[in-house]
Parts: sequence; structure tokens; C-alpha cells
Amino acid sequence: GAGVSQSPSNKVTEKGKDVELRCDPISGHTALYWYRQSLGQGLEFLIYFQGNSAPDKSGLPSDRFSAERTGGSVSTLTIQRTQQEDSAVYLCASSPPVGYNTGELFFGEGSRLTVL
Amino acid sequence: DQQVKQNSPSLSVQEGRISILNCDYTNSMFDYFLWYKKYPAEGPTFLISISSIKDKNEDGRFTVFLNKSAKHLSLHIVPSQPGDSAVYFCAASGDGGSQGNLIFGKGTKLSVKP
Repeated sequence: GAGVSQSPSNKVTEKGKDVELRCDPISGHTALYWYRQSLGQGLEFLIYFQGNSAPDKSGLPSDRFSAERTGGSVSTLTIQRTQQEDSAVYLCASSPPVGYNTGELFFGEGSRLTVL
Repeated sequence: DQQVKQNSPSLSVQEGRISILNCDYTNSMFDYFLWYKKYPAEGPTFLISISSIKDKNEDGRFTVFLNKSAKHLSLHIVPSQPGDSAVYFCAASGDGGSQGNLIFGKGTKLSVKP
């Protein structure tokens, strides 16, 4: 597709279960970002990939959160032993290679996670 | 501690009038600022940006002003249209916007009434 694709769009899970959220960035975009937006809050940075490596993991809230990116394309954000405070919209974004970058991030529609 | 602050959670404006959305930041290392617009159930979309070497950038009905000494920027929309109704996020970067993460504010919900 032409844009950033995220799945699932909605996920309801029980506390303590693991969840995986997937992001398929725009073709040719080398950088990929994960953000989350909790109710009433702004966008909170989680992690950033350049290619398959993650130079900046500073935003991951706890060791229950992990992310990987393979083949310089699809990324998976995994939350283990989910807690109610993990409920949020998880947004993925991608951006073109350095030199073609205007600083603009291209966002997907997000995955809404609800932990009961 | 929030590095990017949007102190007005909401703003209501009459169609045709000017909308002014404000944003303050605390980190003097920020050198690139962006505004994003977000409709419900959609991802944020880029609207306009400004580098710290400028104090104004204009794109059609949208103008962003930067006051570095006050660590303040504002987005002006004129004339406002009902389709502008959305949540507007201010974001900042400390690397010229080339890579790395953006720091976002909490957003301001703009309602433009016909």
C-alpha cells in the first residue's frame, strides 16, 4: 500500500497476556518509529529504528516492551504480561532516508489496545 | 517534565476567523519544530514545519511563527474552515529534523463552527 499499515486496528486483551502489534512502513523508508497515545495525553515516543537497528530505545516504558524490525521493513512491537496502564493507541511512523528527509514522519492509523 | 507544552486543550473559532494555536518548549537544544493535524481514528498528518534559523514559515492558510527567545511557537490558520476541526499537535526535534524522535505536546482540539 501507499501508506504506513498497522495491524490489528483494535485489540482487546486480558491483563497478563502478551500482545504483538505490527507495522508495515512505506516502501523505501529507512527509519521507523513507535509512539503511543494514552487517553488525554500527547504522543509518547517509544523506540526508533534506522534499518534493523534501534539507536534509540529510550522511550520503552519497561522491560515488558520490546520491538524488532526485520529486513529493514516490517516491525513488531511486543508487550508482555500486559497491564491496564498499557491501554493506549500505538502509532507507527516511518520517514525517508537521510538526505531526503524533511523531518516529516508519516503515521499509520494506529492500533488501539485495551487491556481489561 | 514536559518539554513541549500545549496549554490549551481546546479552542473554538467561528468559520472565516483566525485560529491561533500556541506551543511552548523548554529545551533550548530544539532546532526544528513541526505541527501535525489529527482527525479521529486516523494517524497524525504533517502540516507545516519551521527551522530555528527562521521566525516564520507560511504555507497557504497556515503560518507558523517561532519566537526563540520566548521558546514559543504558534500556528495561525486564516481563514479557518470547518474541515480544519481536528486535534493539532506541536512537535520538536533537536537534530534539525533529520532523524531521531520527535517530542510531541498533548495537542489542542480545534473546533471551527460554521
